[in-house]
Amino acid sequence: DGGITQSPKYLFRKEGQNVTLSCEQNLNHDAMYWYRQDPGQGLRLIYYSQIVNDFQKGDIAEGYSVSREKKESFPLTVTSAQKNPTAFYLCASSTVPGAEAFFGQGTRLTVV
Amino acid sequence: AQKITQTQPGMFVQEKEAVTLDCTYDTSDQSYGLFWYKQPSSGEMIFLIYQGSYDEQNATEGRYSLNFQKARKSANLVISASQLGDSAMYFCAMSNQETSGSRLTFGEGTQLTVNP
Repeated sequence: DGGITQSPKYLFRKEGQNVTLSCEQNLNHDAMYWYRQDPGQGLRLIYYSQIVNDFQKGDIAEGYSVSREKKESFPLTVTSAQKNPTAFYLCASSTVPGAEAFFGQGTRLTVV
Repeated sequence: AQKITQTQPGMFVQEKEAVTLDCTYDTSDQSYGLFWYKQPSSGEMIFLIYQGSYDEQNATEGRYSLNFQKARKSANLVISASQLGDSAMYFCAMSNQETSGSRLTFGEGTQLTVNP
């Protein structure tokens, strides 16, 4: 089945550590996105990529980094510079930028 | 900058009745897309319906329809014959090619509760 896979579903991080969230899609989509969602709030864009080897900052990129070395993969690293990383992270992809986005199941990150 | 506003933090509806979820948007672009997504308590985001800014007909998908009023910059979601499984968070979103590279901007969401 085609879709977007995020892993892990739950992630715990100690303060000062970097962690990487995985996002893989087998939909052959060009565009991929990372969003952050805090409790009771909407989604805020962290980074997005329209093609391989290219990505742009979203509204809240500070403390995060990404790479897009393969079309199907768009991992997100939450660095120690992100002061409040506890949140729900959603990865999405679309055939082309601006088309409907398909989402993964999300990763819930908690800092302990 | 583009902005999506959802003014109803929570809505309640009786099973089998229709409900309208409000969404207004702000953009200076001529070409844009409007989306509605459903987010159950499990957290996944489910695409429901899409309306393009040049579409003259209101979009419909099964029990979902989008009441698009371009002059008022509103894109309300209408759910007919509500079901218990419709209880979820609903998000309105917009994409703009001209000013934002087609990235999606989301509203704050409306929590819908369907009562039996």
